[in-house]
Amino acid sequence: QLQLQESGPGLVKPSETLSLTCSVSGGSISTNTYFWGWIRQSPGKGLEWIGNIYYGGSTYYNPSLKSRVTISLDTSKNQFSLRLSSVTAADTALYYCARTFYSGGNEFFDYWGQGTLVTVSS
Amino acid sequence: ETVMTQSPVTLSVSPGERATLSCRASQSVSSNLAWYQQKPGQAPRLLIYATSTRATGIPARFSGSGSGTEFTLTISSLQSEDFAVYYCQQYNYWPPRLTFGGGTKVEIK
Repeated sequence: QLQLQESGPGLVKPSETLSLTCSVSGGSISTNTYFWGWIRQSPGKGLEWIGNIYYGGSTYYNPSLKSRVTISLDTSKNQFSLRLSSVTAADTALYYCARTFYSGGNEFFDYWGQGTLVTVSS
Repeated sequence: ETVMTQSPVTLSVSPGERATLSCRASQSVSSNLAWYQQKPGQAPRLLIYATSTRATGIPARFSGSGSGTEFTLTISSLQSEDFAVYYCQQYNYWPPRLTFGGGTKVEIK
Protein backbone atom coordinates (compact mmCIF):
# COMPACT_ATOMS: atom_id res chain seq x y z
CA GLN A 1 0.00 0.00 0.00
CA LEU A 2 1.47 3.31 -1.07
CA GLN A 3 1.87 5.84 1.71
CA LEU A 4 2.94 9.47 1.60
CA GLN A 5 4.01 11.50 4.61
CA GLU A 6 4.69 15.22 4.71
CA SER A 7 7.25 16.69 7.08
CA GLY A 8 8.67 20.11 7.79
CA PRO A 9 8.31 23.16 10.03
CA GLY A 10 4.82 24.09 11.09
CA LEU A 11 5.70 27.74 11.54
CA VAL A 12 7.48 29.97 9.04
CA LYS A 13 8.21 33.68 9.35
CA PRO A 14 6.96 36.12 6.72
CA SER A 15 9.40 36.65 3.82
CA GLU A 16 11.19 33.37 4.57
CA THR A 17 11.10 30.12 2.63
CA LEU A 18 8.70 27.29 3.40
CA SER A 19 10.30 23.87 2.96
CA LEU A 20 8.44 20.57 3.08
CA THR A 21 9.39 17.00 2.25
CA CYS A 22 7.17 14.13 1.22
CA SER A 23 8.43 10.65 2.03
CA VAL A 24 6.98 7.88 -0.10
CA SER A 25 6.78 4.28 1.07
CA GLY A 26 5.27 1.18 -0.47
CA GLY A 27 6.33 2.16 -3.97
CA SER A 28 9.06 3.91 -5.93
CA ILE A 29 8.88 7.50 -7.10
CA SER A 30 11.01 6.50 -10.09
CA THR A 31 8.11 5.42 -12.26
CA ASN A 32 6.89 6.80 -15.55
CA THR A 33 3.14 6.48 -14.90
CA TYR A 34 3.04 8.98 -12.10
CA PHE A 35 3.89 12.52 -11.26
CA TRP A 36 4.34 13.68 -7.69
CA GLY A 37 2.55 16.77 -6.59
CA TRP A 38 1.79 19.32 -3.92
CA ILE A 39 -1.64 20.75 -3.15
CA ARG A 40 -2.62 23.13 -0.41
CA GLN A 41 -5.89 23.88 1.31
CA SER A 42 -6.82 27.05 3.09
CA PRO A 43 -10.23 28.23 4.30
CA GLY A 44 -10.22 31.18 1.96
CA LYS A 45 -9.13 29.44 -1.24
CA GLY A 46 -10.14 25.79 -0.98
CA LEU A 47 -7.88 23.28 -2.73
CA GLU A 48 -5.09 24.80 -4.78
CA TRP A 49 -2.67 22.84 -6.96
CA ILE A 50 0.90 24.01 -6.38
CA GLY A 51 2.85 21.89 -8.81
CA ASN A 52 4.00 18.48 -10.01
CA ILE A 53 7.29 16.81 -10.73
CA TYR A 54 8.01 13.88 -13.01
CA TYR A 55 10.58 11.27 -12.05
CA GLY A 56 12.74 12.48 -14.91
CA GLY A 57 12.88 15.87 -13.23
CA SER A 58 10.41 17.87 -15.33
CA THR A 59 8.40 20.27 -13.23
CA TYR A 60 5.08 21.99 -13.75
CA TYR A 61 3.85 24.77 -11.52
CA ASN A 62 0.68 26.71 -10.91
CA PRO A 63 1.24 29.97 -12.83
CA SER A 64 0.07 31.99 -9.84
CA LEU A 65 2.88 30.54 -7.69
CA LYS A 66 5.50 29.76 -10.30
CA SER A 67 7.87 32.59 -9.43
CA ARG A 68 8.16 31.35 -5.83
CA VAL A 69 7.93 27.54 -6.12
CA THR A 70 10.53 24.85 -6.54
CA ILE A 71 9.73 21.14 -6.44
CA SER A 72 12.54 18.62 -6.48
CA LEU A 73 13.10 14.86 -6.26
CA ASP A 74 15.51 12.76 -4.23
CA THR A 75 15.21 9.31 -5.75
CA SER A 76 17.84 7.88 -3.41
CA LYS A 77 15.58 8.65 -0.47
CA ASN A 78 12.29 8.12 -2.33
CA GLN A 79 11.27 11.64 -1.44
CA PHE A 80 10.22 14.84 -3.12
CA SER A 81 10.25 18.34 -1.74
CA LEU A 82 8.57 21.70 -1.94
CA ARG A 83 10.14 25.09 -1.45
CA LEU A 84 8.00 28.22 -1.46
CA SER A 85 9.87 31.47 -1.09
CA SER A 86 8.89 34.91 0.20
CA VAL A 87 5.91 33.58 2.13
CA THR A 88 3.15 35.76 3.53
CA ALA A 89 0.15 35.08 5.73
CA ALA A 90 -1.74 34.13 2.57
CA ASP A 91 0.46 31.02 2.32
CA THR A 92 -0.86 29.69 5.62
CA ALA A 93 -2.53 26.41 4.71
CA LEU A 94 -2.67 22.66 5.08
CA TYR A 95 -0.13 21.31 2.60
CA TYR A 96 -0.64 17.91 1.02
CA CYS A 97 1.66 15.81 -1.08
CA ALA A 98 0.04 13.43 -3.52
CA ARG A 99 0.72 10.95 -6.27
CA THR A 100 -0.56 12.15 -9.60
CA PHE A 101 -1.75 9.46 -11.97
CA TYR A 102 -0.68 10.53 -15.43
CA SER A 103 -1.70 8.32 -18.33
CA GLY A 104 -4.08 8.36 -21.25
CA GLY A 105 -4.81 12.04 -20.85
CA ASN A 106 -5.64 11.64 -17.17
CA GLU A 107 -4.00 13.67 -14.44
CA PHE A 108 -5.56 13.24 -11.04
CA PHE A 109 -4.43 12.58 -7.48
CA ASP A 110 -4.92 8.99 -6.41
CA TYR A 111 -2.89 8.83 -3.18
CA TRP A 112 -2.55 11.64 -0.68
CA GLY A 113 -0.51 12.30 2.41
CA GLN A 114 -2.34 13.24 5.60
CA GLY A 115 -1.34 16.88 5.22
CA THR A 116 0.77 19.21 7.31
CA LEU A 117 -0.32 22.60 8.59
CA VAL A 118 2.02 25.46 7.88
CA THR A 119 1.38 28.80 9.54
CA VAL A 120 3.13 31.94 8.39
CA SER A 121 3.58 34.29 11.31
CA SER A 122 6.26 36.27 13.02
CA GLU B 1 -7.30 29.70 -15.70
CA THR B 2 -10.30 27.39 -15.87
CA VAL B 3 -12.59 28.21 -12.96
CA MET B 4 -14.59 25.34 -11.52
CA THR B 5 -17.85 26.28 -9.79
CA GLN B 6 -19.68 23.78 -7.65
CA SER B 7 -23.30 23.96 -6.56
CA PRO B 8 -24.93 23.95 -4.19
CA VAL B 9 -22.43 24.94 -1.54
CA THR B 10 -24.36 22.85 0.99
CA LEU B 11 -26.75 20.02 0.27
CA SER B 12 -28.99 18.64 3.02
CA VAL B 13 -30.06 15.08 2.35
CA SER B 14 -31.66 12.31 4.40
CA PRO B 15 -29.93 8.92 4.58
CA GLY B 16 -31.14 6.67 1.80
CA GLU B 17 -31.99 9.56 -0.49
CA ARG B 18 -30.27 10.53 -3.73
CA ALA B 19 -27.79 13.40 -3.82
CA THR B 20 -26.96 15.29 -7.00
CA LEU B 21 -23.93 17.59 -7.01
CA SER B 22 -23.01 19.91 -9.85
CA CYS B 23 -19.70 21.17 -11.17
CA ARG B 24 -19.42 23.77 -13.92
CA ALA B 25 -16.26 24.73 -15.80
CA SER B 26 -15.68 28.23 -17.14
CA GLN B 27 -14.54 26.65 -20.42
CA SER B 28 -14.72 23.18 -21.86
CA VAL B 29 -12.62 20.55 -20.11
CA SER B 30 -13.87 17.74 -22.34
CA SER B 31 -14.24 14.68 -20.09
CA ASN B 32 -11.13 15.46 -18.07
CA LEU B 33 -12.75 15.73 -14.68
CA ALA B 34 -12.27 14.02 -11.34
CA TRP B 35 -14.26 14.00 -8.11
CA TYR B 36 -12.94 13.70 -4.56
CA GLN B 37 -14.52 13.15 -1.17
CA GLN B 38 -13.09 14.76 1.95
CA LYS B 39 -14.12 14.01 5.51
CA PRO B 40 -13.13 16.20 8.48
CA GLY B 41 -9.49 15.79 9.42
CA GLN B 42 -8.75 13.63 6.39
CA ALA B 43 -7.12 14.14 3.02
CA PRO B 44 -9.32 14.10 -0.07
CA ARG B 45 -10.03 10.66 -1.50
CA LEU B 46 -10.35 10.03 -5.23
CA LEU B 47 -13.84 8.88 -6.18
CA ILE B 48 -14.13 9.28 -9.94
CA TYR B 49 -11.89 10.22 -12.85
CA ALA B 50 -12.47 10.76 -16.56
CA THR B 51 -15.93 12.05 -15.61
CA SER B 52 -17.48 8.66 -14.93
CA THR B 53 -14.85 6.02 -14.06
CA ARG B 54 -14.95 4.98 -10.43
CA ALA B 55 -11.63 4.67 -8.67
CA THR B 56 -10.60 1.38 -7.12
CA GLY B 57 -12.83 0.39 -4.22
CA ILE B 58 -15.45 3.10 -4.75
CA PRO B 59 -19.02 1.77 -4.34
CA ALA B 60 -21.37 1.68 -7.30
CA ARG B 61 -23.73 4.16 -5.63
CA PHE B 62 -21.31 6.87 -6.76
CA SER B 63 -21.65 7.83 -10.40
CA GLY B 64 -20.45 10.68 -12.55
CA SER B 65 -21.69 12.16 -15.79
CA GLY B 66 -21.34 15.14 -18.07
CA SER B 67 -18.91 16.62 -20.56
CA GLY B 68 -17.64 19.96 -21.73
CA THR B 69 -18.62 22.42 -19.03
CA GLU B 70 -21.35 20.67 -17.04
CA PHE B 71 -20.74 17.71 -14.75
CA THR B 72 -22.69 15.84 -12.12
CA LEU B 73 -21.80 13.55 -9.26
CA THR B 74 -24.71 11.41 -8.09
CA ILE B 75 -24.85 9.39 -4.91
CA SER B 76 -27.81 7.09 -5.44
CA SER B 77 -28.64 6.24 -1.82
CA LEU B 78 -26.75 8.15 0.81
CA GLN B 79 -25.08 6.16 3.53
CA SER B 80 -23.93 7.62 6.83
CA GLU B 81 -20.31 7.49 5.69
CA ASP B 82 -21.09 9.62 2.62
CA PHE B 83 -21.68 12.83 4.53
CA ALA B 84 -18.62 14.83 3.58
CA VAL B 85 -17.35 17.58 1.29
CA TYR B 86 -17.00 16.79 -2.41
CA TYR B 87 -14.65 18.52 -4.84
CA CYS B 88 -14.34 18.41 -8.59
CA GLN B 89 -11.01 18.90 -10.38
CA GLN B 90 -10.28 19.49 -14.06
CA TYR B 91 -7.14 18.34 -15.85
CA ASN B 92 -7.79 19.32 -19.45
CA TYR B 93 -4.67 21.26 -20.31
CA TRP B 94 -1.03 20.66 -21.07
CA PRO B 95 1.19 21.92 -19.55
CA PRO B 96 -0.95 21.22 -16.49
CA ARG B 97 -3.23 23.93 -15.15
CA LEU B 98 -5.04 21.84 -12.58
CA THR B 99 -7.91 23.54 -10.78
CA PHE B 100 -10.45 22.46 -8.18
CA GLY B 101 -13.99 23.52 -7.47
CA GLY B 102 -14.87 25.17 -4.18
CA GLY B 103 -16.63 22.08 -2.84
CA THR B 104 -20.12 20.94 -1.91
CA LYS B 105 -20.81 19.89 1.64
CA VAL B 106 -23.32 17.05 1.91
CA GLU B 107 -24.91 17.16 5.32
CA ILE B 108 -27.54 15.16 7.13
CA LYS B 109 -31.04 16.57 6.81
